[in-house]
Amino acid sequence: SQQGEEDPQALSIQEGENATMNCSYKTSINNLQWYRQNSGRGLVHLILIRSNEREKHSGRLRVTLDTSKKSSSLLITASRAADTASYFCVFSSGAGSYQLTFGKGTKLSVIP
Amino acid sequence: DAGVIQSPRHEVTEMGQEVTLRCKPISGHDYLFWYRQTMMRGLELLIYFNNNVPIDDSGMPEDRFSAKMPNASFSTLKIQPSEPRDSAVYFCASSLRRVNTQYFGPGTRLTVL
Repeated sequence: SQQGEEDPQALSIQEGENATMNCSYKTSINNLQWYRQNSGRGLVHLILIRSNEREKHSGRLRVTLDTSKKSSSLLITASRAADTASYFCVFSSGAGSYQLTFGKGTKLSVIP
Repeated sequence: DAGVIQSPRHEVTEMGQEVTLRCKPISGHDYLFWYRQTMMRGLELLIYFNNNVPIDDSGMPEDRFSAKMPNASFSTLKIQPSEPRDSAVYFCASSLRRVNTQYFGPGTRLTVL
């Protein structure tokens, strides 16, 4: 499996604003996942988007995937202080690829 | 399901001591992963199992680290002897073959003095 590169490394916004995080990769993929990690906690799976999908929604989350640009974005709308966390993107490529390699993530701070 | 369970949640030990971390995966999951997270290196995969068999242990830092999975509901990660540079948060995760979404435990925060 490969490592995604998240951008920006850190993001600070006011509560109620939207937060956008981006992710890029280098080779073809089967699917892409976003995980969240609150400080001192384990990672929590947020959403998975397959390579033949372009956009997916889950509550206040919207994920887009552009396979031609080899990039993805995670949008959190109407952010809350509880969204403060690190966000990681992970790609799966190749058959039987059960191993995930996590990047450094984007550290999001939502200021009340 | 209770999710992935790890114990202990915190461990403080002295250099040279043996440390054993424990993990109970989600019932029915056939993949189990051990990770280590530090500020400097981020989240690193140490080893993973499929149906209790170690598949890839290339991430295990050195011979002081060993992992076992004697049955489908239990795994251990052992460090012997422990060193201060082993201080980190150790996570266990499990997943189901058909879907490679991983479910993480709460982690064990290890401090080696």
